[in-house]
Amino acid sequence: AQSVTQLDSHVSVSEGTPVLLRCNYSSSYSPSLFWYVQHPNKGLQLLLKYTSAATLVKGINGFEAEFKKSETSFHLTKPSAHMSDAAEYFCVVSVGGASYGKLTFGQGTILTVHP
Amino acid sequence: NAGVMQNPRHLVRRRGQEARLRCSPMKGHSHVYWYRQLPEEGLKFMVYLQKENIIDESGMPKERFSAEFPKEGPSILRIQQVVRGDSAAYFCASSPDGGGNEQYFGPGTRLTVT
Repeated sequence: AQSVTQLDSHVSVSEGTPVLLRCNYSSSYSPSLFWYVQHPNKGLQLLLKYTSAATLVKGINGFEAEFKKSETSFHLTKPSAHMSDAAEYFCVVSVGGASYGKLTFGQGTILTVHP
Repeated sequence: NAGVMQNPRHLVRRRGQEARLRCSPMKGHSHVYWYRQLPEEGLKFMVYLQKENIIDESGMPKERFSAEFPKEGPSILRIQQVVRGDSAAYFCASSPDGGGNEQYFGPGTRLTVT
């Protein structure tokens, strides 16, 4: 079985300050991990993915995430928040490899960015 | 290369009517997934299809819901005799293959049952 826990339902930061969105996962197999972003009334956009290559993964819009197997974590960070980053972020796990990629979503973290 | 297309974007149905949601995957993608996002909840997997085959429907409600992905044409998610609890956003995603690769999502269909 696989699961994802996003540790914060809401995160609020000021523009220009760092962003940290926390995610822990549980998987019986070597996981593929993703972060998706959803702006209000929009679909989901892939920010970045981890698939057992480099543990530090760089994504779009300045986001990056680090896979830490010992901590079963995959936290999302960005050095400097922008107003356009305000959205809901989902940490997602998939059992990959030879099996198919059924995605299991975390509950989401709503990021608010203050001017 | 057009992304995943879903239509309609918004759908209003009265209780007891049928809802048909369509999804055209990205060009070259033969794997389609449907997810449902209920108010105040995260996205939940519903069904995974390849052309003409249902691979995994473990997330589909046992009654009233069905899905298909024919050889030609879009994937269809069908909800019969809709109830208010079916009101949600339904997202379709596609991928070129399975195996844990990233899925590309459509804009969703927001179903409202009155």
